[in-house]
Amino acid sequence: QVQLQESGPGLVKPSQTLSLACTVSGGSISSGSYYWSWIRQPAGKGLEWIGRIYTSGSTNYNPSLKSRVTISVDTSKNQFSLKLSSVTAADTAVYYCAREVHFWSGDYYFDYWGQGTLVTVSS
Amino acid sequence: DIQMTQSPSSLSASVGDRVTITCQASQDISNCLNWYQQKPGKAPKLLIYDASNLETGVPSRFNGSGSGTDFTFTISSLQPEDIATYYCQQYNHLPRTFGPGTKVDIK
Repeated sequence: QVQLQESGPGLVKPSQTLSLACTVSGGSISSGSYYWSWIRQPAGKGLEWIGRIYTSGSTNYNPSLKSRVTISVDTSKNQFSLKLSSVTAADTAVYYCAREVHFWSGDYYFDYWGQGTLVTVSS
Repeated sequence: DIQMTQSPSSLSASVGDRVTITCQASQDISNCLNWYQQKPGKAPKLLIYDASNLETGVPSRFNGSGSGTDFTFTISSLQPEDIATYYCQQYNHLPRTFGPGTKVDIK
């Protein structure tokens, strides 16, 4: 059974960089046809896709955040990471890591999610 | 970006009622649509993929249909454990986008 677990500081100061890691257990992050994704959800609001990294290391980012986001992978730790720079209060949210699986048929979906971690941006 | 809208934003129904939620995409997304259930304090859970395919282990009272720009999600007989917020999500284009959610309550 695949499990994902987010980790990182719960409080970040404005203008600083938010850094989170997602540790994958129950399977290798570098095998299979998977995209490793970050999604966030401000309190009481909907879900926003931040971006993803493929097992090959290629990345895709949401254009609304692209200038501030970096997603990377560390296969030795079976982990992928999110860095979001120049944060403001608007970046306060629960951050989820998730696995997006894709099939030859063209179907994609998020099948495994972490439990989520709340990151608050405040001085 | 493809914009997703959902209606209603919230609903209240009795146990055993049929519940219907609609999702509309701002452009044709074929059948590239998933539905998720999110309970308070929990991560979303996949219920329906490819517009109408039931994820393994999900009760058969959940159903999805539609293609193009208009989609429907139905709970045939609402159960107390179905209290949650439901989101549609398109995967036809990047960035992935979600609907704003529909909160379902028991009357």
